[in-house]
Parts: sequence; C-alpha cells; structure tokens
Amino acid sequence: EIVMTQSPATLSLSPGERATLSCRASQSVSSNLAWYQQKPGQAPGLLIYGASTRATGIPARFSGSGSGTEFTLTISSLQSEDFAVYYCQQYSSWPLTFGGGTKVEI
Amino acid sequence: QVQLQESGPGLVKPSETLSLTCTVSGGSISSYYWGWIRQPPGKGVEWIGSFYNSGSTNYNPSLRSRVTISIDTSKNQLSLKLTSVTAADTAVYYCAGGRQWLAFDCWGQGTLVTVSS
Repeated sequence: EIVMTQSPATLSLSPGERATLSCRASQSVSSNLAWYQQKPGQAPGLLIYGASTRATGIPARFSGSGSGTEFTLTISSLQSEDFAVYYCQQYSSWPLTFGGGTKVEI
Repeated sequence: QVQLQESGPGLVKPSETLSLTCTVSGGSISSYYWGWIRQPPGKGVEWIGSFYNSGSTNYNPSLRSRVTISIDTSKNQLSLKLTSVTAADTAVYYCAGGRQWLAFDCWGQGTLVTVSS
C-alpha cells in the first residue's frame, strides 16, 4: 500500500497570502495524483488531477506540481473561501490512498 | 455534470449489513469510474472500493472480506454492501465518480451511517 503523507497538518495564513501544501508518497505514483478541497459539512471537491491539471471551473490561483513521490499544491493568493481542508490522493495503484489532510485556517 | 445521491438507513445495528445506494442522474453511469469513500466523524477520508470498466471491482484490503460494490445500469445506480459492521464503521459514506480514471470529479453529498444498538 502506498502511504500518502501531507504536511503541515495545519497552515495558519491570512487572506492574500500564498499557501504551499505538500504531499509525499511512500513510492512513486508517477503523475497519478489528485488534490481535493473539503469545507465543513460538504463532500470533497476535485481541484487538481494528473498532479498539475486543474479540474473544470477551478480558479487559476490553484496550481499543482510534482511527480514521482513529491507533490505540491499552491494557492497563490488565499481568498476567504479557500480556508478548508485539503487532501491528496494517489490513483496509481491499488488500494487507492488519501493523505491525512492539511487544514488551511485563518 | 452528473449528480449523485446516496440513500440508505442512517442507523445499523452491530453485526448487521450496511446497504447503501447511489443514484446517478444527468448522465450515464457507464461513462464514469466509480468509488465509495467514507469519513468517520472528525477524521480523514478512506477509500472503500471501486467499480470500473463495466464489471471490475477492487476493494480496500482492510475491508475486502466484508464489502461488495455493484452497479445496476438499468437503474443508473451504484450500490455498497458492508457486512458484520461495528462501531468503527460509523462514518459519512460518499459515492464518487471519475472521468479521469480514479480522480473523482463528482461526489454525492454523503450520508451518515451510525452503527449502534
């Protein structure tokens, strides 16, 4: 099983600041990496797939990078609606696995 | 984009079977790769299993002996059965679909299932 480790667990930032979230895989997942955003009481929503491709309707301030075992989600300038929990997920091999999440808080 | 709606009992007794249905509207169930994901209260998300390529399934090894996922294309529904449940199975259960292999781009709203006597 590929273990996905996200850091930091919590990121405390202000609106307008840049957020950098990390996700590390215990073995290579190539570019088969997705990022999701989850707000309280809601289902996760896809932000990024293929490590760097934004999903439909996702603003350009969200960007993903990396391949292999090291990945980054960057939010260039935090908006109030971006304060949420973010998960990475690998879909390179079974079982599919998610990271433990990073909470971006004000 | 399709819309997904989970349905099923919100309370299941220990040792019984949890059964959920996900109804797909606005598109064909055959156009997506499917998964069930769960989230215990206050915790992270866990993949339960997937249905793909018109008949293939794969399950989380930690649940494999207890889980079955199937599709009824005539009803555009995905189903989940989890047997011999315990309190540890209490969670919000989501169905999710992906068009880019198993990056899930559409999700149901989730349904809370509590295991308790």
